[in-house]
Amino acid sequence: EIVLTQSPGTLSLSPGERATLSCRASQSVSSNYLAWYQQKPGQAPRLLIYGASSRATGIPDRFSGSGSGTDFTLTISRLEPEDFAVYYCQQYGSSLFTFGPGTKVDIK
Amino acid sequence: EVQLVESGGGLVQPGRSLRLSCAASGFTFDDFAMHWVRQVPGKGLEWVSGISWNSGSTGYADSVKGRFTIYRDDAKNSLYLQMNSLRHEDTAFYYCAKASSYAWIGNWFDPWGQGTLVTVSS
Repeated sequence: EIVLTQSPGTLSLSPGERATLSCRASQSVSSNYLAWYQQKPGQAPRLLIYGASSRATGIPDRFSGSGSGTDFTLTISRLEPEDFAVYYCQQYGSSLFTFGPGTKVDIK
Repeated sequence: EVQLVESGGGLVQPGRSLRLSCAASGFTFDDFAMHWVRQVPGKGLEWVSGISWNSGSTGYADSVKGRFTIYRDDAKNSLYLQMNSLRHEDTAFYYCAKASSYAWIGNWFDPWGQGTLVTVSS
């Protein structure tokens, strides 16, 4: 099983600031099959990024993904009020899908 | 618009069974694999099970293997999760999610339903 570790656990920032979230895998993620999801309280997760760097339909371009192998990053270039949420990475390159524990982005 | 609506959650005693349903609309259901993912309230996400477009292939997390069964009824555009021998640790919100392609592996999940809460308690 591929274990995903996310850092930091919590990121306290102000609107307009840049957010950089990290996701590290215990072994190489096949074909960079890495996705990022956003979850707000009381809501289901929403897909942001797939294939490590491709934005899902309707996702603003302030969200970007990068990385390969075992190290991946989600960047939010300028935080909007609606971006304060929990972010999860997920690998789907193995038959046992796994998620990271999440990074909470909250308002400073 | 793609919609996924889960139902069937509730309070159940340990050792008993429960069946969850997911009604799909807005897309050609039998072209896509489907998944179940769960989340303990206030905690992270755990993949539970996936099924291919034609029910020919399924997968399960080790934590539910042998107890849970995923299946689909394409005539009803519905996905199901039969949960047997339920344990306290199965308490969670259960989400169904559409895969990005026909295979249950190698695909991301989009979108997700709103979830249904299963509480296992005596």
